[in-house]
Amino acid sequence: GQNIDQPTEMTATEGAIVQINCTYQTSGFNGLFWYQQHAGEAPTFLSYNVLDGLEEKGRFSSFLSRSKGYSYLLLKELQMKDSASYLCAVRDRGGYQKVTFGTGTKLQVIP
Amino acid sequence: DAGVTQSPTHLIKTRGQQVTLRCSPKSGHDTVSWYQQALGQGPQFIFQYYEEEERQRGNFPDRFSGHQFPNYSSELNVNALLLGDSALYLCASSLDYRTSSHEQFFGPGTRLTVL
Repeated sequence: GQNIDQPTEMTATEGAIVQINCTYQTSGFNGLFWYQQHAGEAPTFLSYNVLDGLEEKGRFSSFLSRSKGYSYLLLKELQMKDSASYLCAVRDRGGYQKVTFGTGTKLQVIP
Repeated sequence: DAGVTQSPTHLIKTRGQQVTLRCSPKSGHDTVSWYQQALGQGPQFIFQYYEEEERQRGNFPDRFSGHQFPNYSSELNVNALLLGDSALYLCASSLDYRTSSHEQFFGPGTRLTVL
C-alpha cells in the first residue's frame, strides 16, 4: 500500500516562491503526480515524475527523489489564482497501477 | 473534443436511499476510475473499470458497485446511503495502464448530500 504525507496548510505572499513537500512510503512505485484543485472543482493535472530530478513547466516545477521517497512542487511568482489545494498522488508499480492521493495541501496566497 | 463529463452535478438523498452517478470518459479513453472525496480530504479510490469489468477495488463496502458500458461510459451505484457517504464523487478517465500514457483526467464531479 501507499502512505503519503504533505502539510495541511500553507500561506505565501503574492509574487513569492513556495515549496510544497510530499513524502511517501510505498510497496511499489511507478510515478508521482501533482494535481491542483480549486474549491468545489475537480483536480487538474500539473506534473508527473517517474525518474529522479526536476521537471520544470512554466511557473511550476516538480522534483522527485525515489531513494528518499520525497517530492516537492515549487510554485514561482505566486498569483492570487494559485490559491488552491495541491494534491500529491503516487502510482503503484504492481497490479493495475492504482493511484493513491494524499490529503492535499491548502495554499493561501495573500497580497 | 469533450472531456470527462459527469451527471448529475448535485444530488440530495436521504439515508437508506439508493443513488446512481454517471460518467462519460474523455474521447479515446477506455479506463474509468471512481473516487470519493470528503471535505478537506484527498480523493479516495473506490474502483476501476476496464473492458466492462471491475478490475481493482479500494477499501469500500459492497454497497458501492459499478458498471461500465461498451461505449466506456460508467455508472457508480451506492445502496443504503449513510450520512457518511456525503462527498464529492469524481470520475477519472485514462488509457489502459499497459500503454505508456500516465494521463488521468477528472470530471467535474457529483456533489452528493445525504440527509
